[in-house]
Amino acid sequence: ETGVTQSPTHLIKTRGQQVTLRCSSQSGHNTVSWYQQALGQGPQFIFQYYREEENGRGNFPPRFSGLQFPNYSSELNVNALELDDSALYLCASSSDTEAFFGQGTRLTVV
Amino acid sequence: AQSVTQLGSHVSVSEGALVLLRCNYSSSVPPYLFWYVQYPNQGLQLLLKYTSAATLVKGINGFEAEFKKSETSFHLTKPSAHMSDAAEYFCAVSRGWGGGGADGLTFGKGTHLIIQP
Repeated sequence: ETGVTQSPTHLIKTRGQQVTLRCSSQSGHNTVSWYQQALGQGPQFIFQYYREEENGRGNFPPRFSGLQFPNYSSELNVNALELDDSALYLCASSSDTEAFFGQGTRLTVV
Repeated sequence: AQSVTQLGSHVSVSEGALVLLRCNYSSSVPPYLFWYVQYPNQGLQLLLKYTSAATLVKGINGFEAEFKKSETSFHLTKPSAHMSDAAEYFCAVSRGWGGGGADGLTFGKGTHLIIQP
């Protein structure tokens, strides 16, 4: 148990739709990061939020956006879903010394 | 820019044998290096990390890794494999102590460890 909870665990969306994934971070962690893990690949960094501000972003288009709330929970929003967006989405909440990952949300775009 | 190369997408060893998973990195700044394990349909669990305190790092479940700057390597080893070690293993590099920093963690493609009975 890492204390990082993601919801939902699975969902199926249609191409062109929008999706929101949620993450509750571990108590005391003010940094949250999101990663996309395609099947058979390593996770890829999408972006990071620190105290409600985005402070780092990977090579993902603007249709991937996020929010961090005052309680440090977070959302990942993806607009105009594409088939290639099908993946496991991982959230990680960080202290200064370690990143703790949630179980992930498996998104399937059909 | 940072990158990680994991040699061997699949590694198979017999139960009780030595486990060696290879990782080479590229980083323009002194790196922080990590090994994570992922069991099927689960998130990532930290096995160990190098943060410049000691080049030989001991982690959980009997794993250890040695940082070799001259070889830009951070290979993961375990003296005696157990059936429960079967999983996907990821090497990662970051500019942040905890795996944070503006670039987050950069992961390799992973090595699937198979344990033969």
